[in-house]
Amino acid sequence: EVQLQESGPGLVKPSQSLSLTCSVTGYSITSNYWGWIRKFPGNKMEWMGYISYSGSTSYNPSLKSRISITRDTSKNQFFLQLNSVTTEDTATYYCARYSRGAGWFAYWGQGTLVTVSS
Amino acid sequence: DVVLTQTPPTLSATIGQSVSISCRSSQSLLHSNGNTYLNWLLQRPGQPPQLLIYLVSRLESGVPNRFSGSGSGTDFTLKISGVEAEDLGVYYCVQSTHAPYTFGAGTKLELK
Repeated sequence: EVQLQESGPGLVKPSQSLSLTCSVTGYSITSNYWGWIRKFPGNKMEWMGYISYSGSTSYNPSLKSRISITRDTSKNQFFLQLNSVTTEDTATYYCARYSRGAGWFAYWGQGTLVTVSS
Repeated sequence: DVVLTQTPPTLSATIGQSVSISCRSSQSLLHSNGNTYLNWLLQRPGQPPQLLIYLVSRLESGVPNRFSGSGSGTDFTLKISGVEAEDLGVYYCVQSTHAPYTFGAGTKLELK
């Protein structure tokens, strides 16, 4: 059974970079697609992007050039970097695995809250 | 980007009551491959979102059959036939036909 776990700093200062790790067990990240999704205070959800089994990426244009998703296949981990953060990037960040049959991300980590504040 | 308009924002129900949530898209969600990638998620308090229904009407494994989805094109509905206490939380529709994938604003299901 696939399991995903996010980790990283819970507090980031404005203008700095947010860096999170998703550690995956029970499934190789060299298969399928692996994404990042965030939930803002309140209910708003945003799909941020994904990295594919081959290492190609797709990002939400709303994040422009601030986002980067990379991976370390030897550790079965993938990463999120979001640059030049503001208080509006305060959110719970989830990593997730795509389900080809469903056409959506069916397996999620528990999420990690990142607060952007000075 | 595709805008999903989800209504109502809040739903109050008694146990056993049947309820429906609407999700309307700003453009057709029919993909060129013939599939319609409209999904429904439930986020219970303190939990990550859980996939309930995918491809408009297909029940994810392990999801009770009191949940059902219907619709086509731009209009979709999630129905719960007999609300149970474990169904409380926030429901989202989300489309994965057109990038960037987008979510509805959510519907909070509460006990009356």
